[in-house]
Amino acid sequence: EAAVTQSPRSKVAVTGGKVTLSCHQTNNHDYMYWYRQDTGHGLRLIHYSYVADSTEKGDIPDGYKASRPSQENFSLILELASLSQTAVYFCASSDKPGGSQNTLYFGAGTRLSVL
Amino acid sequence: GEQVEQRPPHLSVREGDSAVITCTYTDPNSYYFFWYKQEPGASLQLLMKVFSSTEINEGQGFTVLLNKKDKRLSLNLTAAHPGDSAAYFCAVSGHTGNYKYVFGAGTRLKVIA
Repeated sequence: EAAVTQSPRSKVAVTGGKVTLSCHQTNNHDYMYWYRQDTGHGLRLIHYSYVADSTEKGDIPDGYKASRPSQENFSLILELASLSQTAVYFCASSDKPGGSQNTLYFGAGTRLSVL
Repeated sequence: GEQVEQRPPHLSVREGDSAVITCTYTDPNSYYFFWYKQEPGASLQLLMKVFSSTEINEGQGFTVLLNKKDKRLSLNLTAAHPGDSAAYFCAVSGHTGNYKYVFGAGTRLKVIA
């Protein structure tokens, strides 16, 4: 069974503070993703990575950085947290997109509240 | 780029009734189609993945229909029960070289006992 672990599960941050969300996968997947989900809405892609030490911008990268130090780990960094970044953040991993085995496996999510 | 529209945003049905959720997409090159279920406060769990070549897929208590001509994907829950109450999301991805999974906005389904 695919395993994607996120930490922390919830976080309260102050405006202007730095926040780091961590993700660890044991699926041996090359691709990892950070999505944001706002209450009552779908998922929007923030950053993704297909190889260690490299990250790519998704659809809504502004205000976020990402780091992929190894195949297993992918972090999302909010250097200056803002109220508008209050949301639930999901990490996911997948095999190479477009291949027959491609499926997104999601972590449990991190609920971030910026006050 | 690909756009996915999901309808309806909210759906309430009685136990035993069917529930139909539909997604329409714009990119004719889309190849893989997914339905995810998200229970309140939980993560997204894969319900079913369908490929471009398949049109009807049946799962436990539901059917997924893919109409490539109309670029429409639907999830039909037959005989819904309260345990089906959740948010459902469709997602679409392309074939070789396309990294993106584009999600619909979701449907919040409530099954009334």
